[in-house]
Amino acid sequence: NAGVTQTPKFQVLKTGQSMTLQCAQDMNHNSMYWYRQDPGMGLRLIYYSASEGTTDKGEVPNGYNVSRLNKREFSLRLESAAPSQTSVYFCASSEGGAGTDTQYFGPGTRLTVL
Amino acid sequence: RKEVEQDPGPFNVPEGATVAFNCTYSNSASQSFFWYRQDCRKEPKLLMSVYSSGNEDGRFTAQLNRASQYISLLIRDSKLSDSATYLCVVYPSGTYKYIFGTGTRLKVLA
Repeated sequence: NAGVTQTPKFQVLKTGQSMTLQCAQDMNHNSMYWYRQDPGMGLRLIYYSASEGTTDKGEVPNGYNVSRLNKREFSLRLESAAPSQTSVYFCASSEGGAGTDTQYFGPGTRLTVL
Repeated sequence: RKEVEQDPGPFNVPEGATVAFNCTYSNSASQSFFWYRQDCRKEPKLLMSVYSSGNEDGRFTAQLNRASQYISLLIRDSKLSDSATYLCVVYPSGTYKYIFGTGTRLKVLA
């Protein structure tokens, strides 16, 4: 059982380049999330999808877009990367978003923007 | 004031010691509470949920104090393998957003 998978694991971009981070879960979860983690800042929510077909902004959405492609997949796009977007990105999923559910995280993508 | 606050540590303790972490939260409408563990350069993983009456899982005990708006984690008989960062997580009712603290780093020394 793979759980939550993310690709790529590492990426280096130049300022202004674009890329899409992929996330997939095989647990039939309804809710999916994208976080970024920076030293001393903890995990901050970028976007979330409470259920298939819906997406909403989190705490730090500027510079990002998301697509809930289907129930399994939730992608994060950087249209024009900036050095401030250098971070570790985690995707997570939970069963129903009711607040009592465990969140399961992918292994993360380490992104460096030069 | 941050929504969820934790002492960043590090807490350096010898093997076998008992150690406790606290976490305070600002939103009184918070509904659910969790402790996650994160190893270096790895993803967070659920350690335990925190229930109103307090709960225990082996060497780990979690407590919730709604009146003072804090939760705690007690680790007894610390093992080297307990070395990690412990994240406090709060879920305010009416949202789909889990709020993470910045974490408390624990180092268990041989």
